[in-house]
Amino acid sequence: DTEVTQTPKHLVMGMTNKKSLKCEQHMGHRAMYWYKQKAKKPPELMFVYSYEKLSINESVPSRFSPECPNSSLLNLHLHALQPEDSALYLCASGGWDNQPQHFGDGTRLSIL
Amino acid sequence: EDQVTQSPEALRLQEGESSSLNCSYTVSGLRGLFWYRQDPGKGPEFLFTLYSAGEEKEKERLKATLTKKESFLHITAPKPEDSATYLCAVSSNTGKLIFGQGTTLQVKP
Repeated sequence: DTEVTQTPKHLVMGMTNKKSLKCEQHMGHRAMYWYKQKAKKPPELMFVYSYEKLSINESVPSRFSPECPNSSLLNLHLHALQPEDSALYLCASGGWDNQPQHFGDGTRLSIL
Repeated sequence: EDQVTQSPEALRLQEGESSSLNCSYTVSGLRGLFWYRQDPGKGPEFLFTLYSAGEEKEKERLKATLTKKESFLHITAPKPEDSATYLCAVSSNTGKLIFGQGTTLQVKP
């Protein structure tokens, strides 16, 4: 069992839908991350939140909109996605002061 | 430019056949080197952190070592349940994690 919980585990959506991915951690970490991972590739950083403020946006298209309601929660709002956005979306927390990041098990997203 | 290279891309071992995975890195100001294990359909699971050359960490059949240019993940007498993709990542002055492409390990009984 991981200490970073992501929901849903699987999501299938059409290109005109709006959906949200959710991530929760209770380890007291002050940094949280969204990554995108394609098959047989390493995770690619999308966004970083530090103390609930967006600190890094890796030039991600605006159809992905992150939100950090509080220090334990991280959302990723999805709208008008493209088929190439199908991937495993991973949330992580930690990484502060040279400590490791801890990952959730991800949401498998499929765009029809 | 910060870079991490892992080798080999894939490794097949017989149960009990020890081997090593390599992670070479070029980074401006190493803040930490991390090893993760990833099973299919799961997120990366943290294994080890190494901070300075000469440091070693062990966990069950795994041992990670670090030099100024590379890290090794030694697997002693592996079992089929050790089959997974092993990811190496470094944290640099930017604070971001830079991942290698991973080594996919298959251990056959």
